[in-house]
Amino acid sequence: DGGITQSPKYLFRKEGQNVTLSCEQNLNHDAMYWYRQDPGQGLRLIYYSQIVNDFQKGDIAEGYSVSREKKESFPLTVTSAQKNPTAFYLCASSTGDSYNEQFFGPGTRLTVL
Amino acid sequence: EDQVTQSPEALRLQEGESSSLNCSYTVSGLRGLFWYRQDPGKGPEFLFTLYSAGEEKEKERLKATLTKKESFLHITAPKPEDSATYLCAVRKNSGYALNFGKGTSLLVTP
Repeated sequence: DGGITQSPKYLFRKEGQNVTLSCEQNLNHDAMYWYRQDPGQGLRLIYYSQIVNDFQKGDIAEGYSVSREKKESFPLTVTSAQKNPTAFYLCASSTGDSYNEQFFGPGTRLTVL
Repeated sequence: EDQVTQSPEALRLQEGESSSLNCSYTVSGLRGLFWYRQDPGKGPEFLFTLYSAGEEKEKERLKATLTKKESFLHITAPKPEDSATYLCAVRKNSGYALNFGKGTSLLVTP
């Protein structure tokens, strides 16, 4: 089955630690995205990548980093510089056509202890 | 600045009681308005894409419509399984990313 997988489903981090969230897709999509969702707020864009080895900052990129070494994979690292990292993180992908819809993974819930 | 505003924030319906959710947007040069359904603790599920004013799309009990300033998601004779948060988004002016509203939380009671 084609789709987007995210792991882990739940992640706990101590303050000062970096953590990496995994996102893999087998839809052969060119573009991938990371969003953050907080209660009572809409999804906010962290980073996106339109092609391999290229990515752009979104609205709230501070304290996060990404890489795009393979078309299928777009991992997100939450660094210790992110002041309030507790949130629900969503990965999405879409075809290269800018008019097409995005498909989302199941999400990773990150809690900082 | 691109903005997406959804109303109401929450809606409670009895089973079979039809209603509409609203999504108003301000973006120059609309390149798609998207509706998603999100269940608690899960990723959004794609429902519809609308591209031009007057366009309509239907799926089971849901029907999405689009004008130049807003979109409506009409729910006809809803069932309890329609309970979810419904998200509206427009594509940003630059790049491929989406600008989301805060969503409408729908509860349908038996």
